[in-house]
Amino acid sequence: DQQVKQNSPSLSVQEGRISILNCDYTNSMFDYFLWYKKYPAEGPTFLISISSIKDKNEDGRFTVFLNKSAKHLSLHIVPSQPGDSAVYFCAATGNFGNEKLTFGTGTRLTIIP
Amino acid sequence: SQTIHQWPATLVQPVGSPLSLECTVEGTSNPNLYWYRQAAGRGLQLLFYSVGIGQISSEVPQNLSASRPQDRQFILSSKKLLLSDSGFYLCAWSRGNSPLHFGNGTRLTVT
Repeated sequence: DQQVKQNSPSLSVQEGRISILNCDYTNSMFDYFLWYKKYPAEGPTFLISISSIKDKNEDGRFTVFLNKSAKHLSLHIVPSQPGDSAVYFCAATGNFGNEKLTFGTGTRLTIIP
Repeated sequence: SQTIHQWPATLVQPVGSPLSLECTVEGTSNPNLYWYRQAAGRGLQLLFYSVGIGQISSEVPQNLSASRPQDRQFILSSKKLLLSDSGFYLCAWSRGNSPLHFGNGTRLTVT
């Protein structure tokens, strides 16, 4: 049972435009959400997170939006840059501080120069 | 600063052979340690986590085991590998409210 779903395995976006990566979850107990970025042959690196008490968190070019009623979150990257090409994983936990994260399957983002 | 080392980067093993993957963390003490696996077309699945020396929790029944002989050392093992054990194995650490920090992973192919 996939509790965190990323339904788009891949996404291509023109450089300078906005990239929107989507994630859906089914477990109502999740209250903290994270995005990780992964380059080939490297481990995932933490990108940005959001608590369920918020609906938006922004860090530079990256913004995460959370819609609790729809159990949906999205990552916006604007403007997109070639270095953003990577696999992005959505993750969720119901107990922040005890990092037993449930991950999605990832979305491969390709930025076209 | 903290660093996490994981080796080897790639490994090809025959079915029925043993496995030992090692992970060490530097620059922190008493970290929580984790082993994740990414199988083809699937998300990162938590296999084991540890909150201290000798304390291992298994998340899914499987052909693997984990041990933590020292505070900053985490080992993933198997006595006899199965084809289904192929995947990308990631070690990670966290401490307090910090996000997970991952190693660079081991690509295991069981033939």
